[in-house]
This record gives sequence, C-alpha cells and structure tokens, in this order.
Amino acid sequence: AQSVAQPEDQVNVAEGNPLTVKCTYSVSGNPYLFWYVQYPNRGLQFLLKYITGDNLVKGSYGFEAEFNKSQTSFHLKKPSALVSDSALYFCAVRDKSGGSYIPTFGRGTSLIVHP
Amino acid sequence: SAVISQKPSRDICQRGTSLTIQCQVDSQVTMMFWYRQQPGQSLTLIATANQGSEATYESGFVIDKFPISRPNLTFSTLTVSNMSPEDSSIYLCSALNQEAGELFFGEGSRLTVL
Repeated sequence: AQSVAQPEDQVNVAEGNPLTVKCTYSVSGNPYLFWYVQYPNRGLQFLLKYITGDNLVKGSYGFEAEFNKSQTSFHLKKPSALVSDSALYFCAVRDKSGGSYIPTFGRGTSLIVHP
Repeated sequence: SAVISQKPSRDICQRGTSLTIQCQVDSQVTMMFWYRQQPGQSLTLIATANQGSEATYESGFVIDKFPISRPNLTFSTLTVSNMSPEDSSIYLCSALNQEAGELFFGEGSRLTVL
C-alpha cells in the first residue's frame, strides 16, 4: 500500500522569505516521489521527482526537495518565495516494487505568498 | 515531455444530460488516466483508459456513468452521463511518461451542472 500526507492545508509566507511545503509518505518498498503545482484554473504541472541518487532534488522555478528516508519525508523548498509561486502544491508517491504506475496524491497544500 | 490537449476547457450543463471530454496527446503513450478534482479537493482517479479494451475503473466509479474510449495510443474520451450537480468538478486527463516515470496532465475540463 502507498499513501502520502500533506499536513498543512495552507502555508503563508512573505515574498523573499524561504518556503517549505511538507510531505510525508508511506510505501512497502522504496518510493518514487513527485511534486506537482496547480495554478488557478490550470492543470497540474510536474515540478520535480526523486527516483534514486542524490537526496536533494532540484526542479523547475527554483524549487527543490529533500528526500529523507529515515523520516519518510519529501519536503518542497525554495530559498526565496515569489508572489507568483502562489498556487496549489501536490505531493505524490509511487511504490517502486508495487507493480503499478499509478501514484497516490496528497490532498494538496495551498501556498500563499504575500507581497 | 508530451503535451495534452483537453476539450472542452469548461462547460455549463443541464441536469440529466451527458457530456464527452476529449483528450489528445501529441505523442504515443502507453498509459492514460482520467481523474476528477472536486472543488477544494485532491485528485481522485476515475479509471485507466486501456487502448483497444475496456477501461479499468476505480472503486466507486462505473462504466455506465463514466464510459471511456481509447481507440489509439494518442486519444481518449471520457463521458459524464446523466449528469447531476454532484458531478460539477474538474476532470483531468493524464498520461504516463514511462521513461521518466512521472505523469503529465492536460489543463482540465471544468464542468458545472445546473
């Protein structure tokens, strides 16, 4: 079984400050982990993923995420937030050994960056 | 990555009618999926669209309500049948980038049922 938790419905941050959007996961084996962003009235856009290798993954728009196996976390980060980063962020997980290509999505976290 | 085009992008429908959403991918993909995203909610998988055979539906979704076609490796349709206001939602088409491992999505079809 695979599951993912995004504990925060909403994250508020001031422009220029660092941001973190939290994600924890549960899988039977090893995980594939993903972050997607959804801007208002748009579909989901792929941001970054962890498959294997370096625990720190860099993605689009200056975002990065750190895979922490001991804490089963994959938090999304950005050193300096922009107002244009305001959007809905989804974490997703897929079990490498699960035999399915279908990820499980978290409930989403709304990021609001204040000017 | 491939580009997915969905249409209609939005529609307002009357109760009891049906609407078909089209999804076109600009390259051949092995796996396509349909998701529903209700207002303020996460994504719920409706079904996997199988090329040349019946779709595989998730628990809570049935073919009579959400018939799906997938005639080839680049195209799929989802029909929302006998609509009620509870079907008001965003419907998202998705395809698997099998080499890279991630899903990519269309822009969504926003349905409002009156």
